[in-house]
Amino acid sequence: GENVEQHPSTLSVQEGDSAVIKCTYSDSASNYFPWYKQELGKRPQLIIDIRSNVGEKKDQRIAVTLNKTAKHFSLHITETQPEDSAVYFCAASRGGNFNKFYFGSGTKLNVKP
Amino acid sequence: DAGVTQSPTHLIKTRGQHVTLRCSPISGHKSVSWYQQVLGQGPQFIFQYYEKEERGRGNFPDRFSARQFPNYSSELNVNALLLGDSALYLCASSLELGSRLFFGSGTQLSVL
Repeated sequence: GENVEQHPSTLSVQEGDSAVIKCTYSDSASNYFPWYKQELGKRPQLIIDIRSNVGEKKDQRIAVTLNKTAKHFSLHITETQPEDSAVYFCAASRGGNFNKFYFGSGTKLNVKP
Repeated sequence: DAGVTQSPTHLIKTRGQHVTLRCSPISGHKSVSWYQQVLGQGPQFIFQYYEKEERGRGNFPDRFSARQFPNYSSELNVNALLLGDSALYLCASSLELGSRLFFGSGTQLSVL
């Protein structure tokens, strides 16, 4: 089955700096890659996603890049703010009839004011 | 606009008991999935249901079962609870198979 690895496990940045979280996957058939943000005691919230037919997607301060050849994808947060502090999870799925999602182990982002 | 709702929010059980967790998907969503999230880890897939049929099962023992009702709500049942079943159980719904997954707030299960 699919194996998703996520790094780093913790990331501390100063407010205003950029943060980058990286994930690798093993199943070349995976074609959908969402990112979730989970604040303490709350539900995982979808913040951005990308399908394998594009290499990059941006939404305001958040961007995701995908390298299908190397089987890795990354989350980029620019101009970080204290409210960005949370645990971020990447995931991979084959999509279509195979809607099973494989999640990374999470990155705890701490944005220091 | 209601999101995915789960009940109960918290549950305490003892070893050997059984538990039923409930989930209502976003209105119009036909697929419901269940995930187990142990503290400090990412969610792990348990089941997926689409149009009331099981469409996927993760690596969980037969003590775990689920079903989806005609109104697309779902139940997750766990029998003969073990200490290791303590976790946050997340329900997620999607419009169709392969669509974006939206999570509920989860049921925190503690097995003593």
